[in-house]
Amino acid sequence: DSGVTQTPKHLITATGQRVTLRCSPRSGDLSVYWYQQSLDQGLQFLIQYYNGEERAKGNILERFSAQQFPDLHSELNLSSLELGDSALYFCASSITGTGGDEQYFGPGTRLTVT
Amino acid sequence: AQTVTQSQPEMSVQEAETVTLSCTYDTSESDYYLFWYKQPPSRQMILVIRQEAYKQQNATENRFSVNFQKAAKSFSLKISDSQLGDAAMYFCAYRSVNGANSKLTFGKGITLSVRP
Repeated sequence: DSGVTQTPKHLITATGQRVTLRCSPRSGDLSVYWYQQSLDQGLQFLIQYYNGEERAKGNILERFSAQQFPDLHSELNLSSLELGDSALYFCASSITGTGGDEQYFGPGTRLTVT
Repeated sequence: AQTVTQSQPEMSVQEAETVTLSCTYDTSESDYYLFWYKQPPSRQMILVIRQEAYKQQNATENRFSVNFQKAAKSFSLKISDSQLGDAAMYFCAYRSVNGANSKLTFGKGITLSVRP
């Protein structure tokens, strides 16, 4: 158990809908990362937050957005869902969000868009 | 931009034997971290081993060791005395030391099966 929690574990929804994925980092970690794992794209970085502020952006679609709240939990919002958005979404956390820190992964949220 | 390449999609090993998983990467940076992650059927991402580029000594964690060749930009994982529980997908990953760029860049992964 990494100490990172993600809810829900599974999500099934229809095309065009909007969903919210939630992540709680390990106690004491200030930075949160979101990654997407799909058959087409493999594992890719989406976005990083540090202490409530966006720090880095990767291949995140405009239909996706994220935020980190004052209690440091983070939410990833996916809207106008398409079949291709079906994937496993991971959250990871680290203490300071710098290159030297270890990233600890949550168990992931499996999203299925039908 | 950094890239990580795992050219072998699948490998198989006999239980108790040794297997080596290959990974190459491309970067213009001189200092960075390299990782091997294991993803079993549960889908949890588990850190297997980590190598810091400025350290010449190859990292070792019990039955897992790496062969880090910085000039060749090669980073292979050797699993000794393979066990059934080693069956999983393995990902090679790169991370910059640069504080503003701490994302992990992953290879496509390799599926390892272990024959009893």
